[in-house]
Amino acid sequence: DQQVKQNSPSLSVQEGRISILNCDYTNSMFDYFLWYKKYPAEGPTFLISISSIKDKNEDGRFTVFLNKSAKHLSLHIVPSQPGDSAVYFCAARWGGGGGADGLTFGKGTHLIIQP
Amino acid sequence: KAGVTQTPRYLIKTRGQQVTLSCSPISGHRSVSWYQQTPGQGLQFLFEYFSETQRNKGNFPGRFSGRQFSNSRSEMNVSTLELGDSALYLCASQRAEGGTEAFFGQGTRLTVV
Repeated sequence: DQQVKQNSPSLSVQEGRISILNCDYTNSMFDYFLWYKKYPAEGPTFLISISSIKDKNEDGRFTVFLNKSAKHLSLHIVPSQPGDSAVYFCAARWGGGGGADGLTFGKGTHLIIQP
Repeated sequence: KAGVTQTPRYLIKTRGQQVTLSCSPISGHRSVSWYQQTPGQGLQFLFEYFSETQRNKGNFPGRFSGRQFSNSRSEMNVSTLELGDSALYLCASQRAEGGTEAFFGQGTRLTVV
């Protein structure tokens, strides 16, 4: 049972346009969400995160939106650049009960930026 | 500030053998988590250590184990290797237990033949 889903395995966007990557989750106990970027043969690189008490967080070209009622979050990259081509993972964690739970990852979306 | 360091980067082992992977977290970070990445299952949580204690464990068999030392460095061990254990093993470092952002190392690519 996949608790974090990224339904688009790949996405192609023209350079300079907006890239929108989507993520859905099923566990309402998740209270923190993160986006990671991954190049082949490297570990994931942290991009941006959002707490469940917020609905938007912005960092430069990256903005994450959270819709708790729909259990949906999205990552917007604008403008898209060739170096943004990578696999993007959505991740969620539940910090409840004082425990240190691991991150639950989606399967990733391969973003391809076309020149 | 040095990032998360994992050694070795690549490893080839034979079925039935055991393997130990090492992870040094970012200086000052006390929490270390381990993840397995495979093409079919994606990134899956193995376990998390804080203050030399395992705090949480994912859904993996007992052949997968780990430990953390007083300097926060961590090792994970896989015994009686199976072909399906071939994967990229990633270590993540966090400042504190239950911390938010996790910073990953480059991983150890394990191939079981």
